[in-house]
Formats: sequence, structure tokens, C-alpha cells
Amino acid sequence: GAVVSQHPSRVICKSGTSVKIECRSLDFQATTMFWYRQFPKQSLMLMATSNEGSKATYEQGVEKDKFLINHASLTLSTLTVTSAHPEDSSFYICSARDEPNQPQHFGDGTRLSIL
Amino acid sequence: GNSVTQMEGPVTLSEEAFLTINCTYTATGYPSLFWYVQYPGEGLQLLLKATKADDKGSNKGFEATYRKETTSFHLEKGSVQVSDSAVYFCVVQGAQKLVFGQGTRLTINP
Repeated sequence: GAVVSQHPSRVICKSGTSVKIECRSLDFQATTMFWYRQFPKQSLMLMATSNEGSKATYEQGVEKDKFLINHASLTLSTLTVTSAHPEDSSFYICSARDEPNQPQHFGDGTRLSIL
Repeated sequence: GNSVTQMEGPVTLSEEAFLTINCTYTATGYPSLFWYVQYPGEGLQLLLKATKADDKGSNKGFEATYRKETTSFHLEKGSVQVSDSAVYFCVVQGAQKLVFGQGTRLTINP
């Protein structure tokens, strides 16, 4: 149980395009979803927290107009990297949980490469 | 805020060796503690957890005990396998967020 599916697993696109990443909870209702960014050989950096039906809460230093997060249902959250540039290339990971005291369950990540 | 310090890697061991990855934390209250594992090219998987002092989390031969007096949550395994090669993250749960250690890369040689 507690499976989180993230799609796509890898995307390569040109500078200036927008990229959408989906995160789905397959067998539970994710009241809260999280988006992380991971640079090579580094730890995960929390970008934002989203609760279903509410606006996402962004961490300090994360541009909300650059990284658009939508959490319109209890099983789906999306991260859109707008007008992506090479410095946005990274590994993006989502996680989800149903209740505050429960562990977060992670997707397999999306490797984004901007040329 | 909460913080986690874990043993710097990389750590390289031979198969069947004993493993310890140290982890200490600072936190207010009584947070839950986790170890997550990340295999190459994949997302994170929950390895084990402990929710209160003296709890021992265990899974796949790995163990970690929640030591409040030393604010530690060291990961141990008695006999590692090549398939254990991965990056291991010690994590403390705050009010709403997880705080990750920097990760320890473990390589097991046959």
C-alpha cells in the first residue's frame, strides 16, 4: 500500500518551455503533498507544501511564480516549472501523506534536463 | 528549528561487514524519526521509523533505536549485502515538515 506515482520519470526540453510534473497517490487520499528538489549528491530541499484545495506554501527562496503547484484533488498534485532554464535542471521528488502524524510516501522522482 | 547531522560518506564496506551510520538530531518536543533509503536513480523509500523514545525501528535487517538522552538514531545492520548499496537519509519530522540529513552514500563490494 501507500504508493505514490510520479510522471514523467525523465524529461528533456529546450530552454524557455514549461514542464508539468504529476504526482498521484494511488491507494490513499493525500491531504498533503510535498515537492522537493535534489541536486546531485545532495540532500532533498523542500520547495513547497500543498494541501488539497488550498494554495501551496512555499519555502523561503523558492519562486512561486516559477514553480506553480496545483493540488486540486486528494490524489493529484502538479508542479509546473515555467519558462525553464538550464539552472532549473534537477531531480524533483514529490511525496504525499494522508494524516499529519503519518509518514510521507515518496514518488520515484523526475529528472529534468533543460538544454 | 529541527536539524539532523549524519555521518559523512561515502562509506565503502565489504559484503557481510557490520554497518553503522551515525545520526544525531536537534529538535523541540518529541519528533518522529525516520531512515529513508534512495537507490540509484530512484525516489526515496521509507526504511524504518520510531515515534517515541526507546522505540526500535527495524526492517530488512536494519535497526535504529530512538535515543532521546543522546538525541541519536544510529542505523545498524549486522551483515550488509551488495544490494544495500544506496544513499541513506536520517530524517526528523517537525510539526509539518521533514528535515533531512545530508545523506550517506553506502557502497558494498562483493
